[in-house]
Amino acid sequence: DQQVKQNSPSLSVQEGRISILNCDYTNSMFDYFLWYKKYPAEGPTFLISISSIKDKNEDGRFTVFLNKSAKHLSLHIVPSQPGDSAVYFCAASPREKLTFGTGTRLTIIP
Amino acid sequence: NAGVTQTPKFQVLKTGQSMTLQCAQDMNHNSMYWYRQDPGMGLRLIYYSASEGTTDKGEVPNGYNVSRLNKREFSLRLESAAPSQTSVYFCASSESRASGKGEQFFGPGTRLTVL
Repeated sequence: DQQVKQNSPSLSVQEGRISILNCDYTNSMFDYFLWYKKYPAEGPTFLISISSIKDKNEDGRFTVFLNKSAKHLSLHIVPSQPGDSAVYFCAASPREKLTFGTGTRLTIIP
Repeated sequence: NAGVTQTPKFQVLKTGQSMTLQCAQDMNHNSMYWYRQDPGMGLRLIYYSASEGTTDKGEVPNGYNVSRLNKREFSLRLESAAPSQTSVYFCASSESRASGKGEQFFGPGTRLTVL
């Protein structure tokens, strides 16, 4: 049973435009959500997180939105840059352990 | 400040062989984790350690053992490797969620092939 789902395996976006990556979850006990970025042959790196008491968190070009009623979160990257090309994982946690989605490969087209 | 380090980077084993993957962190984190990543599966938690001397099973613990040697080091052992354990293994560490900083920091990974 996949508790965290990223239904788009890949996404291509023009440089300078907005990238929107989506994630859905099923477990109502999740109260902390994170996005990670992963380049080939490297470990995932933390991007941004959001607690369930908020519905939006911003950090520079990255904004995460949380819709608890829909059990949905999204990551917005504005403007998209070539270095943003990577695999993006969303993750969710009720306590210490994280449950990861399967990832979305984002390609930024110059 | 190296963060999370893992050794080895690559390893090829024959079915039935054993090996230990090493992980160390220098961020004074209490919690440490082992994950495996398989194509199309995301990262799946194998084992977790909330503090020195404690370990807990994750989603896919079968075929693995762990040791939290001290606060810095958390090792993963395959006693009798199987082809199904071919994967990329990541170690991670974090402060506790209670501290308000629950993000996990990952090592560069170990690519393991079992023939």
